[in-house]
Amino acid sequence: DSGVTQTPKHLITATGQRVTLRCSPRSGDLSVYWYQQSLDQGLQFLIQYYNGEERAKGNILERFSAQQFPDLHSELNLSSLELGDSALYFCASSVAGSSSGNTIYFGEGSWLTVV
Amino acid sequence: TQLLEQSPQFLSIQEGENLTVYCNSSSVFSSLQWYRQEPGEGPVLLVTVVTGGEVKKLKRLTFQFGDARKDSSLHITAAQPGDTGLYLCAGLLRGSARQLTFGSGTQLTVLP
Repeated sequence: DSGVTQTPKHLITATGQRVTLRCSPRSGDLSVYWYQQSLDQGLQFLIQYYNGEERAKGNILERFSAQQFPDLHSELNLSSLELGDSALYFCASSVAGSSSGNTIYFGEGSWLTVV
Repeated sequence: TQLLEQSPQFLSIQEGENLTVYCNSSSVFSSLQWYRQEPGEGPVLLVTVVTGGEVKKLKRLTFQFGDARKDSSLHITAAQPGDTGLYLCAGLLRGSARQLTFGSGTQLTVLP
């Protein structure tokens, strides 16, 4: 158990819909990272928040957005869903604001299936 | 095109055999990490290597960072079924925005 909690674990939704994935970081961790893992793209970094502020942006689509709340939990919002958005979405957390010399801990992921 | 290419993509071996997984790039990394991911779980950090030529050992696993810091290898001695999983390398590019770039992964299956 990494201490990072993600909900829901599985989600099936239709194209065009919007979903929200939730993440609670490890106690004491200020950084939250979102990753997307698919068979053809591997593990792709989407976005990072540190203590409520956006810290870094990766390959995140404009249809996707995220935020980190004062209690440090984070949400990833996926809208106008397409079949290609079907993937495993991971949240990870770390104490510090960068991956450099810093262990990041992954949650168990949220499986999103778009039909 | 992946920044970090891992090979082989799939590997199925018998218990007791040795194996090596490679992680290659044309870019220089300030550090490189190896993770193992099991079904239904997120990746778990195994090791971080920082210095060119560095070798780290974790029980039966030996990790090496290339001298030029562009590549790395993971060698497993006397593999066991419990070693089965997806092995991912991830690197921090020199001068990057400090975010990890992950390789495509090697799916290892160790048969009893």
